[in-house]
Amino acid sequence: DAGITQSPRHKVTETGTPVTLRCHQTENHRYMYWYRQDPGHGLRLIHYSYGVKDTDKGEVSDGYSVSRSKTEDFLLTLESATSSQTSVYFCAIRASGTNTGELFFGEGSRLTVL
Amino acid sequence: AQSVTQLGSHVSVSEGALVLLRCNYSSSVPPYLFWYVQYPNQGLQLLLKYTSAATLVKGINGFEAEFKKSETSFHLTKPSAHMSDAAEYFCAVSEDTGNQFYFGTGTSLTVIP
Repeated sequence: DAGITQSPRHKVTETGTPVTLRCHQTENHRYMYWYRQDPGHGLRLIHYSYGVKDTDKGEVSDGYSVSRSKTEDFLLTLESATSSQTSVYFCAIRASGTNTGELFFGEGSRLTVL
Repeated sequence: AQSVTQLGSHVSVSEGALVLLRCNYSSSVPPYLFWYVQYPNQGLQLLLKYTSAATLVKGINGFEAEFKKSETSFHLTKPSAHMSDAAEYFCAVSEDTGNQFYFGTGTSLTVIP
């Protein structure tokens, strides 16, 4: 158990509204990631963070922003949600202290934008 | 840029039969390679990983994978499928311990009784 908690787990919202998803970890890992999962596309990286206030874009970052003001929290914000952002969002942390650094995933947040 | 190709988005096998899920990668440097499994409505769990220590890697639940540099492949196998193996499987590659992972599009495994 990598101590990753995502909230909310399920959310339904309307087009144009802001949405924030939260990822919380309890083990002080440096690297945190946000992915979205869609049928036929696998997992695609949205943004990742390599430390407090240090973030970078992934391959599908348009329409998303992130913030990391504390080591344990990584927030994903959709400023104005669109139907194309309906997806399952996964947070992941990269294991520290190992030479392989595998990812550990949260349980996912299912977002529906109507 | 790295990429991962999983051949076959859906694979069906009979219970007790061999499971073979294919993964090919592209990388300009020796990679780290991973297989993950996802059960319905859950996150991804690590099955096994290749870190250059040994080319044949054994993972959980009886799965194993072999790294073949000449073929740039990392196929996942299990000698005898069980009903509980039905899930989505993802291959992933990373070049270092700091930054990005690249995932394949996944293979859905169905086990027929």
